[in-house]
Amino acid sequence: DAGVTQSPTHLIKTRGQQVTLRCSPKSGHDTVSWYQQALGQGPQFIFQYYEEEERQRGNFPDRFSGHQFPNYSSELNVNALLLGDSALYLCASSLIRSETQYFGPGTRLLVL
Amino acid sequence: GQQVMQIPQYQHVQEGEDFTTYCNSSTTLSNIQWYKQRPGGHPVFLIQLVKSGEVKKQKRLTFQFGEAKKNSSLHITATQTTDVGTYFCAGNSGGSNYKLTFGKGTLLTVNP
Repeated sequence: DAGVTQSPTHLIKTRGQQVTLRCSPKSGHDTVSWYQQALGQGPQFIFQYYEEEERQRGNFPDRFSGHQFPNYSSELNVNALLLGDSALYLCASSLIRSETQYFGPGTRLLVL
Repeated sequence: GQQVMQIPQYQHVQEGEDFTTYCNSSTTLSNIQWYKQRPGGHPVFLIQLVKSGEVKKQKRLTFQFGEAKKNSSLHITATQTTDVGTYFCAGNSGGSNYKLTFGKGTLLTVNP
């Protein structure tokens, strides 16, 4: 039973560029949440997707957008990258009726 | 907005000593979850507490949820080097709020 998978594992971009991160949820899960974790901090909620729609959004600008596909996988897109976007981006999956979230290994993004 | 505070930020112990981390929310929670993140890793779900005053044990780990459902604690008895990592609490206020709000975590280091 595969857990949550994310790709790529590491990414280096320059300011102003755009990036797309991908997530496949744990088998049987239908809800995907994205978090940003800066060094030495706890994960910060970006948004959650269910039934291919954004269900809730945290305090992140519109440069952060996402998508969920019919197979429940998800993408996180960040436009006009800033140095401050450098962080570990975590995807977490869950069942809609459960608050328990299972995290993937994350994508480490470095913006130069 | 909802804030979750966690203390201490760091804790260094000798192997065999006990360890406790405390979590306080600015608002009443529907549930609280605890995660462990090893250095360089991703958060791994430990447990979820839902009921007021709930106490749950996992081997040497004891989790408590306060009567007012605004605070929680994690206690580790007789720490081992395998306990090293950052322990996060994460709260959910329930209702139409689906996001988890994480504390900043407590980094535990264990001297063998």
